[in-house]
Amino acid sequence: QKEVEQNSGPLSVPEGAIASLNCTYSDRGSQSFFWYRQYSGKSPELIMSIYSNGDKEDGRFTAQLNKASQYVSLLIRDSQPSDSATYLCAPISGGYNKLIFGAGTRLAVHP
Amino acid sequence: GAVVSQHPSRVICKSGTSVKIECRSLDFQATTMFWYRQFPKQSLMLMATSNEGSKATYEQGVEKDKFLINHASLTLSTLTVTSAHPEDSSFYICSAVLGTSYEQYFGPGTRLTVT
Repeated sequence: QKEVEQNSGPLSVPEGAIASLNCTYSDRGSQSFFWYRQYSGKSPELIMSIYSNGDKEDGRFTAQLNKASQYVSLLIRDSQPSDSATYLCAPISGGYNKLIFGAGTRLAVHP
Repeated sequence: GAVVSQHPSRVICKSGTSVKIECRSLDFQATTMFWYRQFPKQSLMLMATSNEGSKATYEQGVEKDKFLINHASLTLSTLTVTSAHPEDSSFYICSAVLGTSYEQYFGPGTRLTVT
């Protein structure tokens, strides 16, 4: 079992729709979770962090965390073509200061 | 805020030579920096954790004598790829941790091509 599982996609959504990206993780000790966006050929960019169960909203982005289910998700409202990228889920490994990256979900927003 | 730079952005070198990559946190101090490598269409692979003033901690399978890391100040870490070979060609990315938040901010990356 991989430490962080994400659907590789591509997830294709029309412009203006809600994109839902999901992630499960295996380390029950993880307490901090991050979503990064990576455009092709570029380095990752931090878009959301979440530490507590529940929802956290920041502009068009909402992160959701359920530690009991070891599940974290990212919702992107009013998706734009510029949101087309690979989204990486990254919990912090329990007891260490290291991010454990999933393989990422490729999102394609079409006009 | 939380800007990280890398230099150079691209480098082409001949097999057998060494290449140094610099990673700087521009507007914050970073006790901890990380070095990653990413091959095309693959996820990031953590190479090592760099702590200011101490030896780097390398991930399993990463040769510490080949990938020399120095973190001499709270704003600068360097990665030197020694005796580079074509299989070392990759996208090298550093990140720096902001305070005690666990948030990692990434540099723009360095694309290394070894001919």
